[in-house]
Amino acid sequence: GAVVSQHPSRVICKSGTSVKIECRSLDFQATTMFWYRQFPKQSLMLMATSNEGSKATYEQGVEKDKFLINHASLTLSTLTVTSAHPEDSSFYICSARFGPGNTIYFGEGSWLTVV
Amino acid sequence: AQTVTQSQPEMSVQEAETVTLSCTYDTSENNYYLFWYKQPPSRQMILVIRQEAYKQQNATENRFSVNFQKAAKSFSLKISDSQLGDTAMYFCAFMKHVRGNEKLTFGTGTRLTIIP
Repeated sequence: GAVVSQHPSRVICKSGTSVKIECRSLDFQATTMFWYRQFPKQSLMLMATSNEGSKATYEQGVEKDKFLINHASLTLSTLTVTSAHPEDSSFYICSARFGPGNTIYFGEGSWLTVV
Repeated sequence: AQTVTQSQPEMSVQEAETVTLSCTYDTSENNYYLFWYKQPPSRQMILVIRQEAYKQQNATENRFSVNFQKAAKSFSLKISDSQLGDTAMYFCAFMKHVRGNEKLTFGTGTRLTIIP
């Protein structure tokens, strides 16, 4: 079964509004989670590392104020896209390490469409 | 910085045949992990197989096996007895062996189509 869950799977929002995407680790604690973005027909690009109880670490070129990440508990990280614009429309997916073998599991992903 | 290269954007093979997907990477690290992920149309990332760099033995998972050549920095995926359900995007990925820093660097992917 899934070990990492994302919600919502699809969301449509109006330009200028904010939208939140949740990433949950199921039955395990994840001190670190990762947020990726995937454009159509492209690979996954790491956006940021979400650290429980501290600030997220953003990759170069990712706007911190636009993509707010909060990791308030050991099982939940959230990505908030603020003042969304159509160019923010994309597939967002999170991951976390589970198990002793450093295996990385992904959530189901979230489609964001900004209209 | 690490880079991962997948030189085959698309491949197709007849059902039941064997296919090999290529992946090369560049790193100065000595300890690391390599993964193959499958992404079907649902976009869910599914772990296919993983390899720890310090292990010389190639990883295998049922019909899936890898040819890991550390010196050559090559990590190819072989799918035997291919099935229609294997049709998907396949991504090769690299991860440093650093606890708490399990971020992945992905290749550009190979779109694999299994032909009935």
